[in-house]
Amino acid sequence: QQQVKQSPQSLIVQKGGIPIINCAYENTAFDYFPWYQQFPGKGPALLIAIRPDVSEKKEGRFTISFNKSAKQFSLHIMDSQPGDSATYFCAASISAGGTSYGKLTFGQGTILTVHP
Amino acid sequence: GAVVSQHPSRVICKSGTSVKIECRSLDFQATTMFWYRQFPKQSLMLMATSNEGSKATYEQGVEKDKFLINHASLTLSTLTVTSAHPEDSSFYICSVSDRVMTGELFFGEGSRLTVL
Repeated sequence: QQQVKQSPQSLIVQKGGIPIINCAYENTAFDYFPWYQQFPGKGPALLIAIRPDVSEKKEGRFTISFNKSAKQFSLHIMDSQPGDSATYFCAASISAGGTSYGKLTFGQGTILTVHP
Repeated sequence: GAVVSQHPSRVICKSGTSVKIECRSLDFQATTMFWYRQFPKQSLMLMATSNEGSKATYEQGVEKDKFLINHASLTLSTLTVTSAHPEDSSFYICSVSDRVMTGELFFGEGSRLTVL
């Protein structure tokens, strides 16, 4: 119930393409869904996050789409660039107090390669 | 600028020795910090929740006597890997929650531990 399933495992696109990474969860108590970008040897950096009360959120070239009934959310990267090549992780947590606050459950990660 | 600082970024030690990793919250006081572990090409797994002024809460399967956590102030948590063995070699990452403002989690740059 605590799992977050992420796909695909790896993704290759050409510069300018729109990679899409998908995640699915089971625990309906999750109410905070962030996406992180991680470069080799570095800690993950928060890209964008969404809460279940909205279906879409955009920040720059990054868009999260959220489908509460399907318990799925996805990351779209518009006009992808070679500098976007990194590992992307979706995650989920219960943000509203309690002992689970702030404890992120991560997806398995997607290695994105953007070719020039 | 960085929100979370970790030190050291890399450490190599001999089997049987202990290693201490520091995590500092730079931008705000953090009553709670989180320690994650990441093996090569894998996702992040929560190890424990560090609570200022009280005992840490460990996730299932994490040995609390092996991974000692001290959260002595609102800006500093330390993780000590005691009697380290080669299988403890991993990337250890701490995170801090901006609980008051946004509830978002920010990660440190990570500490690469190699046990020979």
